[in-house]
Amino acid sequence: QSALTQPASVSGSPGQSITISCIGTSSDVGGYNSVSWYQQYPGKVPKLMISGVTDRPSGVPDRFSGSKSGNTASLTISGLQAEDEADYYCGSYTSTSTGVFGGGTKVTVL
Amino acid sequence: EVQLVESGGGLVQPGGSLRLSCAASGLTFSSYWMTWVRQAPGKGLQWVANIKSDGIEKHYVDSVKGRFTISRDNAKNSLYLQMNSLRAEDTAVYYCARGGYTYAYWGQGTLVTVSS
Repeated sequence: QSALTQPASVSGSPGQSITISCIGTSSDVGGYNSVSWYQQYPGKVPKLMISGVTDRPSGVPDRFSGSKSGNTASLTISGLQAEDEADYYCGSYTSTSTGVFGGGTKVTVL
Repeated sequence: EVQLVESGGGLVQPGGSLRLSCAASGLTFSSYWMTWVRQAPGKGLQWVANIKSDGIEKHYVDSVKGRFTISRDNAKNSLYLQMNSLRAEDTAVYYCARGGYTYAYWGQGTLVTVSS
């Protein structure tokens, strides 16, 4: 039940694209198409941004996209905007029928 | 509109107990897995426990096994977390969330502080 590995911080200028990685194992990220991504502003509740590796819930801007290769999932934010500055967490189903989150990535818009 | 409202948090001494509740509305509660997620102050999200729609299947993170018990009452549209033998490291905001491992809906959270 080790946490998934995310970079502590990622930054970019407005309009640029950034990618946040989420490294797991074959028992979680690599074994299932169940990776999700959450956005959280300070003091606020997490918001689902991506489910099932690539699916964007209604209302989430299409500049957010998800992908996966092997044991690594990624969240890409294209056309970075000031309002995207927040913490982002990946999550996954695991082989023991539990869930697991990444440590979180702070996105800074320069 | 889906609403999840947690209650039951507070200050408790190490070794003590608390029971958290999550009242659900705006969804067919009995159809969904439900999960507790916690977040220590200034830290990241940690998955705690989940329970199947019928209440039979339950799973826990290793650090709470034997101390926490997740349960639900589908007739009352409510989810519970009984927390015993609490430790300082259990201090966190506890969220209930709809789903087993993907969470489209979250409550506002209830703060549990374990301190003497």
